[in-house]
Amino acid sequence: QQPVQSPQAVILREGEDAVINCSSSKALYSVHWYRQKHGEAPVFLMILLKGGEQKGHDKISASFNEKKQQSSLYLTASQLSYSGTYFCGTEDSGGYQKVTFGTGTKLQVIP
Amino acid sequence: DAGVTQSPTHLIKTRGQQVTLRCSPKSGHDTVSWYQQALGQGPQFIFQYYEEEERQRGNFPDRFSGHQFPNYSSELNVNALLLGDSALYLCASSLVLENLQQYFGPGTRLTVT
Repeated sequence: QQPVQSPQAVILREGEDAVINCSSSKALYSVHWYRQKHGEAPVFLMILLKGGEQKGHDKISASFNEKKQQSSLYLTASQLSYSGTYFCGTEDSGGYQKVTFGTGTKLQVIP
Repeated sequence: DAGVTQSPTHLIKTRGQQVTLRCSPKSGHDTVSWYQQALGQGPQFIFQYYEEEERQRGNFPDRFSGHQFPNYSSELNVNALLLGDSALYLCASSLVLENLQQYFGPGTRLTVT
């Protein structure tokens, strides 16, 4: 089942903060976060593993609540370059990188 | 360091035809995954190849098949094309030992008329 993201869309002014949520109905091994700009491939931002290990982008942070099967991506002091569609991707078992992408959140940062 | 490359960039085919898409993984990567992304949707996992074998498969019919070569490059074949197969096809590569980040290629835009 596809993870559900919220909000579906958000408009921010430069410098504002945003939180994007991702919720799954399955127990998760990991959560990936990607940003995709129009007409381009998804770009990896962050991965959160079961057990708390975290890697990724140093200007964007994320959390992973294994018990609730939820993850949140935190964008602080947004920049124009943050605009794009954000996808979470989930794995329900480790070792295979079979990623199920979420419904997507369209984020627009305006001056 | 070359990233993931895909060819062709764009392709137009007629319903019922067959198509082959190609992917070269990032240097040093041994695993290739294929995704289909319809307009306005997130990518959907088709299958993954490792050591020249299909290791994982998503909910796609047998019309979708693939291959991985000894140099780790991969092909995606789609037979009996349907209008609904029109999409962006993305290839992602990774290193199985790292089991973490996937790097996506620019994609092949397939239009079926």
